[in-house]
This record gives sequence, C-alpha cells and structure tokens, in this order.
Amino acid sequence: GAVVSQHPSRVICKSGTSVKIECRSLDFQATTMFWYRQFPKQSLMLMATSNEGSKATYEQGVEKDKFLINHASLTLSTLTVTSAHPEDSSFYICSARDILNEKLFFGSGTQLSVL
Amino acid sequence: AQSVSQHNHHVILSEAASLELGCNYSYGGTVNLFWYVQYPGQHLQLLLKYFSGDPLVKGIKGFEAEFIKSKFSFNLRKPSVQWSDTAEYFCAVNSYNTDKLIFGTGTRLQVFP
Repeated sequence: GAVVSQHPSRVICKSGTSVKIECRSLDFQATTMFWYRQFPKQSLMLMATSNEGSKATYEQGVEKDKFLINHASLTLSTLTVTSAHPEDSSFYICSARDILNEKLFFGSGTQLSVL
Repeated sequence: AQSVSQHNHHVILSEAASLELGCNYSYGGTVNLFWYVQYPGQHLQLLLKYFSGDPLVKGIKGFEAEFIKSKFSFNLRKPSVQWSDTAEYFCAVNSYNTDKLIFGTGTRLQVFP
C-alpha cells in the first residue's frame, strides 16, 4: 500500500532553535499534503494545507511565520518550527493525498520536545 | 464550527467481547465520515468511510459503522474483538466540499486475551 514517510520520528531541541520535519510520499504523488498537531489527550488539529508549488493555507490561530511550510515537489513537504519554545512541544503528523485516487495516507508522526 | 466527539476515551475488553465506540459530530450540512485506526507504533490508517448510500458501512477486519443522520452519529462496531484490535481509534468528519478533516480525540482500545 501507499506509504508516507515522516522524519524524524522524535526530536528534542533547545528553546530558540529551529526544527525541520519532512513528509514524503514514497510511491505516489501528492499535490496536497496536510499538517496536524496533537496535544496529549486532544484531537489532531489541522494546522495547514500544503499545496505543491504554491503557498500553504494556514488554519486560524496558526502562525505562518513560526510554522514554515514548503511543498517544493509532488513527493515532499516540510514543516519548519522556527525559534521553537516549550509550548510547541507536541506530536506533529502529516498526511498526503494521492493525486490519482485522492486517497489520504498518514505519516507516522514526529514527537517534538522543546527544552 | 465543526466538531467531533468521542465519548469513550479508554475501553478495555476481553477477547470475543462486542465493541461499540461512539462518535458524534456537529455540522448541519452534508458530511463525509471516517474511522481511522492507529496500531501501536504504526501510521494512522483508514478503517472505513461513509460518503453516501447505505448508512451501514463495512470496513476492514470485521469492523462496521452506522451513520444515523438524525443523531449526528457514526458509531463503530465489531461483534467480537481480538487481541490484535488493540489500538487507538479516531473518528473524523469533513464537509463534502472541503479537504479538511476534523478529528475526535480518539479512543484507546485494549483487548486482553
């Protein structure tokens, strides 16, 4: 089946540093990818919709300058958490929509811990 | 705003017991409904979905869900669970004309042999 690779699976960083998370569709192409954030015991919350070759669409309350999204190719979207702070510690999940059949596939998530 | 409620946060069952996980959503228009499952250490994957037609939807691994429009519900059921069903289950909704999925908080299911 289709696979979405998300890397890294876990990252620990110091406050003030930037962290990049990659989301790759391994055997299909995706013009649209989605980034979610999940706090403990809460829902997955959509942060932004990433569109290949154009600017991402951010949900209300999500700072676009803090969460930089780049979708430079049909198989790769990246989320960069800039100047990370402890309150950014969360579980981040990406999903990718297969361009051929519009099915949605999820990455395995990235646990970000900011000290 | 759309929202999804999963009232059971943690369910513990013995093998062969029947399962029903509740899911209610708030949205007045036409919706698409989904159940996703995440097995330990694995990705989220689609269990079943409802777009239109027969409100009783059958998914993989013996799961089914029933869409009851009047109750804004899409409960997940399985007549006899197995130890391998131990996982986190998420209900999700999107309005038919958008890509955005709204997730519930998830239900952790533990099945003991």
